[in-house]
Amino acid sequence: EPEVTQTPSHQVTQMGQEVILRCVPISNHLYFYWYRQILGQKVEFLVSFYNNEISEKSEIFDDQFSVERPDGSNFTLKIRSTKLEDSAMYFCASSVQSSYNEQFFGPGTRLTVL
Amino acid sequence: DAKTTQPPSMDCAEGRAANLPCNHSTISGNEYVYWYRQIHSQGPQYIIHGLKNNETNEMASLIITEDRKSSTLILPHATLRDTAVYYCIAVKAAGNKLTFGGGTRVLVKP
Repeated sequence: EPEVTQTPSHQVTQMGQEVILRCVPISNHLYFYWYRQILGQKVEFLVSFYNNEISEKSEIFDDQFSVERPDGSNFTLKIRSTKLEDSAMYFCASSVQSSYNEQFFGPGTRLTVL
Repeated sequence: DAKTTQPPSMDCAEGRAANLPCNHSTISGNEYVYWYRQIHSQGPQYIIHGLKNNETNEMASLIITEDRKSSTLILPHATLRDTAVYYCIAVKAAGNKLTFGGGTRVLVKP
């Protein structure tokens, strides 16, 4: 069964450093998402992406965040200058279409900012 | 998106049906009810969704009241692997963002 994959599974970085989290969505999916979950808290929507542009973003997704689909398979989330409060699990998801459709989630990347 | 309310936790006996309630009294006509679950710290997993008719798939059944103000997710024969946090989410038809609440933490006991 096709699945969303994410790398790395765990990323440790120093405050102020840039990190790139990588995702490979399911191959025929057209809509891509990033969510995050701070330890012990709710899963929060960050951004959705379609046709090479952002379709919606949350208040969390400020100028420090960016997303990119650099080729036909990868979908990346970049945090330019990490803060301690960026420590969280980051989940990538994809769906065939935007509505009436399930989102498939990856296993997540645990980001730890020291 | 309409707010949903779920009990914070519930226990279920292995092999028995688990009935998970969700209240969405302010749901609008174009909002679907979606159910996802999250096992430990894994990525959320889609279970089922519906608009107004009852739905069933290989994982679960979804019963939506006629006034659409509440719904129940039924896991027909709970197993230990069904221990997870279950989320009920109202999603606009044209929307693609999932807004997760606190969910119901379900513990299936032997």
